[in-house]
Formats: sequence, structure tokens, C-alpha cells
Amino acid sequence: EPEVTQTPSHQVTQMGQEVILRCVPISNHLYFYWYRQILGQKVEFLVSFYNNEISEKSEIFDDQFSVERPDGSNFTLKIRSTKLEDSAMYFCAREGPATEAFFGQGTRLTVV
Amino acid sequence: LAKTTQPISMDSYEGQEVNITCSHNNIATNDYITWYQQFPSQGPRFIIQGYKTKVTNEVASLFIPADRKSSTLSLPRVSLSDTAVYYCLVGEWNSGNTPLVFGKGTRLSVIA
Repeated sequence: EPEVTQTPSHQVTQMGQEVILRCVPISNHLYFYWYRQILGQKVEFLVSFYNNEISEKSEIFDDQFSVERPDGSNFTLKIRSTKLEDSAMYFCAREGPATEAFFGQGTRLTVV
Repeated sequence: LAKTTQPISMDSYEGQEVNITCSHNNIATNDYITWYQQFPSQGPRFIIQGYKTKVTNEVASLFIPADRKSSTLSLPRVSLSDTAVYYCLVGEWNSGNTPLVFGKGTRLSVIA
């Protein structure tokens, strides 16, 4: 199975700046997801995306976050105005054939 | 989603078989049991999924007793590269819309 590719692998941004995290999950899959993991903590669900629409989102996914699939292949997570507490690993995932999830390698976001 | 309980950590020597048990007393009829592996600074990786009895793949085996209130992930002849966090998840994976809920997992340390 082709893996999910995320870019960049590491991004440093100043507090208040907008960041866009990108994921290439390969086409022909229906469900895509974003998860995050703050250092030393659990992997947390942010949002699921189905048929170019948000399917479900957690309480973490507030108005500062948005997701898009602008060209049918790339899948992006935008954080409009980053806060220090947004520093984390962000993982993109896609649905597998048995409803398991295949995760990317992650983007380490550091907000300074 | 059913609550799961796993040991926080385990140690093993190289070449030994490792068994990680997960308790899920309130598992529902339609729930499946799925295990993921996570290396530091990487996304979780699907290992194995089962419903009842025994499932085996090239990586691991999953033993599920008849009452399904627990499950055991078995890793044969572990090596140093199996050092990782292992997560047990229980849920009704009938669609990709079900977000994964990760606990703290079991941190396995393999010692030479």
C-alpha cells in the first residue's frame, strides 16, 4: 500500500502566524483524517474528511483550524493564528481497506 | 468506544516472545480489536485487527478469548527495532467515519 506523504517534516513558525500542513494521501480513498500528538501525550483525533467535506471533528478542531482538498490529491490542514500550545506532531491518515488507518510520518510544528 | 486498559510499560530481551494484554470489559458485539505500533516521532502503524479467536499475520498474532473481554498481542522473537509504543483500540469499525481513540499505550523496551 502506498504510504501517506506529509510535508514539511518540520515547520517552525512564530506565534500568530498561519501555517499550512500538507498531505498527499493518494487518490481513490474516501476518508482522510488529521490527528495530532503533543510531545509526551496521546495521539488525538482532530477531524475526518469525506467526499470533500468535514465528516466529524473533535472539540480541539475549533475555528482556528480548517481542512481542504484543493486539487483532489493534496489534503491540507490550516491553522490560522498559531498559538504556543499548537506545537505538536500532526499526522495525516487515510482509510485502509478494513477501516484501519494508514498514517503519514507527521509534521513537527514548533510555535515560538 | 470501549475503554481499554494496557500495561504502561514492558521490558524484554531480544529474541524473546512478548505478549501484551489489553482489557476491554465493556466491548460491544460489533466492536473489533485493533493494534497499532508507534515509533518515536513517527505516525502510528497498523499491526493487526481481529474480532474473535486468533489472527496471525507476518508481524504478530492476536489472541482473543471467547468472551472477548481481553486480547493479547503476541510479538515473536522481538528485536531492538520492536522498541515502540503499542496501542490497543476497540471500536465498531464499520465505516471510516469512526475516529480512532488512542490511549497511552504500552511502551515496550527491547534490551540486547
